Amino acid sequence: AQSVSQHNHHVILSEAASLELGCNYSYGGTVNLFWYVQYPGQHLQLLLKYFSGDPLVKGIKGFEAEFIKSKFSFNLRKPSVQWSDTAEYFCAVNAGNTDKLIFGTGTRLQVFP
Amino acid sequence: DAGVIQSPRHEVTEMGQEVTLRCKPISGHNSLFWYRQTMMRGLELLIYFNNNVPIDDSGMPEDRFSAKMPNASFSTLKIQPSEPRDSAVYFCASSFRGGQNTGELFFGEGSRLTVL
Repeated sequence: AQSVSQHNHHVILSEAASLELGCNYSYGGTVNLFWYVQYPGQHLQLLLKYFSGDPLVKGIKGFEAEFIKSKFSFNLRKPSVQWSDTAEYFCAVNAGNTDKLIFGTGTRLQVFP
Repeated sequence: DAGVIQSPRHEVTEMGQEVTLRCKPISGHNSLFWYRQTMMRGLELLIYFNNNVPIDDSGMPEDRFSAKMPNASFSTLKIQPSEPRDSAVYFCASSFRGGQNTGELFFGEGSRLTVL
């Protein structure tokens, strides 16, 4: 069965610090990978996605993620965070031939001015 | 474009009562998902439909939970009878599966359920 692990449960940063959130998945076949963001009190929104091609994916608001197949990882990065990035971040994966999207447990990011 | 529409946004009910949550997916989308979000378990997939047919309901916790999708523009998630441990935010999401465009979910605002 597919699963997604997010090892950082809670990250606290100051503005302008760099961010990297870890995501590992378990599935041996072709996968589609996603990062979603949930701002306080809101629904989930897509940050970025990887289906195929360039393993370095750029998303909205300056976020990017790198798919490393050999490590089964899809870590999220941002070189300089802002207070407005305070939110919960979810990594998700589905096998290429299904609709079922499995989410990690999420990482809560707090950015202080 | 209207997004995924869920109702009610908030529901407070007493243990034993029936709860019905509603979802209208984005027009043209052919897959619909129900997720439950709690602090303890995060986001859990309860059930999903493709072309109005339930494909995987392995996440439905118990027989008290049921979901229907009578047509492409409407789905319900019902809990009968409700229990305090059902308190959570229930999200509906939809997507279009076809060709290379697959997997991206669009979420509704969620229905926050509190069972007393």
